[in-house]
Amino acid sequence: NAGVTQTPKFRILKIGQSMTLQCTQDMNHNYMYWYRQDPGMGLKLIYYSVGAGITDKGEVPNGYNVSRSTTEDFPLRLELAAPSQTSVYFCASSYPEFYEQYFGPGTRLTVT
Amino acid sequence: AQRVTQPEKLLSVFKGAPVELKCNYSYSGSPELFWYVQYSRQRLQLLLRHISRESIKGFTADLNKGETSFHLKKPFAQEEDSAMYYCALKRGSTLGRLYFGRGTQLTVWP
Repeated sequence: NAGVTQTPKFRILKIGQSMTLQCTQDMNHNYMYWYRQDPGMGLKLIYYSVGAGITDKGEVPNGYNVSRSTTEDFPLRLELAAPSQTSVYFCASSYPEFYEQYFGPGTRLTVT
Repeated sequence: AQRVTQPEKLLSVFKGAPVELKCNYSYSGSPELFWYVQYSRQRLQLLLRHISRESIKGFTADLNKGETSFHLKKPFAQEEDSAMYYCALKRGSTLGRLYFGRGTQLTVWP
């Protein structure tokens, strides 16, 4: 049982490039989330999903897109990378009725 | 709007000393409060939640609605308690969405 897995672990992007951060969970959780954490700050919610085919914006969605075609996968897409998107990105999942969120190890992204 | 404040970025204590990590929140409704912890080279994980009213690894936290606080306490700190601690709030009406404080790095010296 791997829990929540994220790839890649690290990535350096040039301004204007695009990339997809992958997130997969094997716990059959309906709810999945993407957070970003800037240095010295708390985690902020980017997007979340309550099930396959259903996504919604969080606090800081600008510059990102998501999709949820399966229960297991919740990729995060950056279309035109900007230096302001330099951050650590965490994916998480939960059962709705328990609310404990299970986190992935994070992806450290640098945009230069 | 909601806000979670952890006033201490860093907190150091000696082994065996009491420790209190502060968390204050602002939210006009009925919140659910959580403490998450991240040990070195490990993932962020749930430590405890106020609705459970339980003690985990010797830590307790009481929701004080009058003072809008949810401080985390342990009477005798251990070296293995050294970690980053995050307070988080869930609004009563929002399904699973959490709002995090910036975190407090706790170091317990031998």
